[in-house]
Amino acid sequence: GEDVEQSLFLSVREGDSSVINCTYTDSSSTYLYWYKQEPGAGLQLLTYIFSNMDMKQDQRLTVLLNKKDKHLSLRIADTQTGDSAIYFCAETPVDYNKLIFGAGTRLAVHP
Amino acid sequence: NAGVTQTPKFQVLKTGQSMTLQCAQDMNHEYMSWYRQDPGMGLRLIHYSVGAGITDQGEVPNGYNVSRSTTEDFPLRLLSAAPSQTSVYFCASTGRTAPYEQYFGPGTRLTVT
Repeated sequence: GEDVEQSLFLSVREGDSSVINCTYTDSSSTYLYWYKQEPGAGLQLLTYIFSNMDMKQDQRLTVLLNKKDKHLSLRIADTQTGDSAIYFCAETPVDYNKLIFGAGTRLAVHP
Repeated sequence: NAGVTQTPKFQVLKTGQSMTLQCAQDMNHEYMSWYRQDPGMGLRLIHYSVGAGITDQGEVPNGYNVSRSTTEDFPLRLLSAAPSQTSVYFCASTGRTAPYEQYFGPGTRLTVT
């Protein structure tokens, strides 16, 4: 079945770049998403990439997609303390209502 | 727009009790979903609905019921609460156009003792 995997924890220094990685198994994925969850809150869409794209840049965020290896990454440039949160990778197959989530990567930013 | 609202924010139940988690959205979205979030496991889909009167099971439906009598509301009912249902529950509705963003409510933290 469909599966999404990501590492559980990442610690970076303020001002450095963060790279969060994700692998997925469903080759029919149409959109792949990165959601952000701040403490005590619901998830918010951070960025997304359509499956026929390799890269997408949105201000400090860069998403890279390697369809052959089914690997997705999120790079946050100039990481700030406000970026501390849990980041979820998610994919949707044909049924857009069914998101398959990874376990989430907790990003800790320290001075 | 209030977006997606959920009540209550916190709830403690005893084993065997039943209750309903409320969810409402004011964006006229047809698709709505319920997830549970457990540490180290991400979000898992419980039930979803593609429109009023239509519901279907997700990955972990056992012990939960849903109904969708209106476009706006999608309540989740726990039939007989068990400690394994201790979790954070999120309701979401899905946008109508690409990229089909899911809008999440703030969550309900449920503890079953």
